Order: sequence, then C-alpha cells, then structure tokens
Amino acid sequence: AQRVTQPEKLLSVFKGAPVELKCNYSYSGSPELFWYVQYSRQRLQLLLRHISRESIKGFTADLNKGETSFHLKKPFAQEEDSAMYYCALRAQGGSEKLVFGKGTKLTVNP
Amino acid sequence: DAGVIQSPRHEVTEMGQEVTLRCKPISGHNSLFWYRQTMMRGLELLIYFNNNVPIDDSGMPEDRFSAKMPNASFSTLKIQPSEPRDSAVYFCASSRLLRSEKLFFGSGTQLSVL
Repeated sequence: AQRVTQPEKLLSVFKGAPVELKCNYSYSGSPELFWYVQYSRQRLQLLLRHISRESIKGFTADLNKGETSFHLKKPFAQEEDSAMYYCALRAQGGSEKLVFGKGTKLTVNP
Repeated sequence: DAGVIQSPRHEVTEMGQEVTLRCKPISGHNSLFWYRQTMMRGLELLIYFNNNVPIDDSGMPEDRFSAKMPNASFSTLKIQPSEPRDSAVYFCASSRLLRSEKLFFGSGTQLSVL
C-alpha cells in the first residue's frame, strides 16, 4: 500500500532561515512524488513534482529512493511561504490514486 | 475559467440529516476526485471518477456515503444519515486526464454536523 508520512505537523522558522519540510513514503514500486501547497484563503495547488526537477518559488525537492524521502527545501524562507504543505505520492504505472500526507503547517516569522 | 466550483461553502446540520455536497469540475477535465480533510487524518481520497464512471471508491468510509457523477459537469457527494464525526472539509478536484500531473482543487465545503 502507498503511504506518505510528514512527521512534522507544525514548523516555524524565521525569515531568511533555511527550511526543510520532511516527507517520507512507503511504496514498493516506482513512485511519482508531488508537493502541494495551500496558502491562507486560497485553494490547494500544485507546487512542484519530482519528474520535472524544477525549482518553484525557490523551493526544490529531490527524490531519494534509498531513504524513500522527498523533502522540500528552501535556502532562505520568506514570510509569504507561510502555508500548509502536503506531500503526495502516486504509483507510477499503477493506481491513479494520489495519496497525500497529513500536511505540515509552515510559519515563517519576521 | 472559474476553476472547480463547490457548493455550499459551509454547511451546518444536525446529526441524522442528509447532506449533499456539489461539485462542478473544470470544463474539459475528464477526472474528478473527492477528498476529505481533517486534522487527524489529513487529506483522504474518498472516491474518484473517470469519464463519469466511478473508478475507485475504496476510500468511502461507510455505506452512509455515496457519490454520483451524472454528467461531465456535475458530481455530488451525499451523506445519509450524517454523524458528528463526518465534520470535515470536503474537497473536490479535477484533472484533464486520470494520470495528469496536476489536480485542480475547489475551495472546499466546510461541513459541521452537530
């Protein structure tokens, strides 16, 4: 079964500090990994996906198959990064289900 | 495009009442997903459709929950009878294809069952 674990419910950092939101997954096959973000009073939206290896709003995430992790990182956090972040997994070539973690609420303090 | 539209935004009802949540996906999107969000469980997939056909409803918690998609532009999630533990935010999302990389979410329905 597919499972996504985000160990931190809450994460608080100061502006300008590095931030890392942890995501670990459990899946025996090849996964597709995503990060979704929900800003205050906005809809949940895709932030980035591991396939495209892109950097969005300064965030990057690398899939580490050995550690079964897909941590989201940003070297210098901004106040506007404060939001709820969800890691999600889909089985590549398998079920179309997108399974989400429980989410991490990030607060960037001034 | 207004995006995925859900109604109502908020619903407060009493235990035992029937609740119907509605969703209009983005025009041209072939797949529709219903999720439930709670503090304890995060975002849980309840059911999803492709071309109006239910593909996987294994996430539906009980027989009290049912979902339909009578046409490509409308879906409902019904809870009958509702219970206080059903209180949550219910999200509808759509995507162009079933394995699209991107889901488009609605604003959600905040359901409170007293």
